[in-house]
Amino acid sequence: EAQVTQNPRYLITVTGKKLTVTCSQNMNHEYMSWYRQDPGLGLRQIYYSMNVEVTDKGDVPEGYKVSRKEKRNFPLILESPSPNQTSLYFCASSPPGGMGTQYFGPGTRLLVL
Amino acid sequence: AQSVTQLDSQVPVFEEAPVELRCNYSSSVSVYLFWYVQYPNQGLQLLLKYLSGSTLVKGINGFEAEFNKSQTSFHLRKPSVHISDTAEYFCAVTPMDSSYKLIFGSGTRLLVRP
Repeated sequence: EAQVTQNPRYLITVTGKKLTVTCSQNMNHEYMSWYRQDPGLGLRQIYYSMNVEVTDKGDVPEGYKVSRKEKRNFPLILESPSPNQTSLYFCASSPPGGMGTQYFGPGTRLLVL
Repeated sequence: AQSVTQLDSQVPVFEEAPVELRCNYSSSVSVYLFWYVQYPNQGLQLLLKYLSGSTLVKGINGFEAEFNKSQTSFHLRKPSVHISDTAEYFCAVTPMDSSYKLIFGSGTRLLVRP
């Protein structure tokens, strides 16, 4: 089944404890992206990647890192999480020429205490 | 730059009634337009999209939307809703010259009551 998977789905952590949220897609898509969803703000892009080893900042990159060493994986790294990073996170991928059509993972709900 | 406005944060409606979810956008360049739906505890999935051609586009689950360039709107409609349509609906745009970046509205929660 074609899909985008994220792990973990739920995570509770404490301020300052490094964490990684994994994202993997099995559709051979070149483009991948991370969003955060907050009430009343919709989804905002954190980082995106056009291909392996090519990443760039989105609208809200502060406090996050990403890497793209393989085409299928695009992990999101929080080196020192803070409470304002409590949010719902989505990974998405898109095929070449997707023209805005993106495939989303199920989401990771993060709580930073 | 682009922006998307969904003025209604929540729309309650009775089952089998018609519904319209409003979306307006602002952009200095031409854009593609989308509606995505998020069912409870799930990721987003594409409902429908407008790329070019006929301004009335049909999507999954009986939804349709009409692109109005002069009013910069892309309202979503369904003639008769079901309980299962209860979800959050997001309007989004992407510039035609950079069609990987989606700009989302704040979302409208559709609540269908029996």
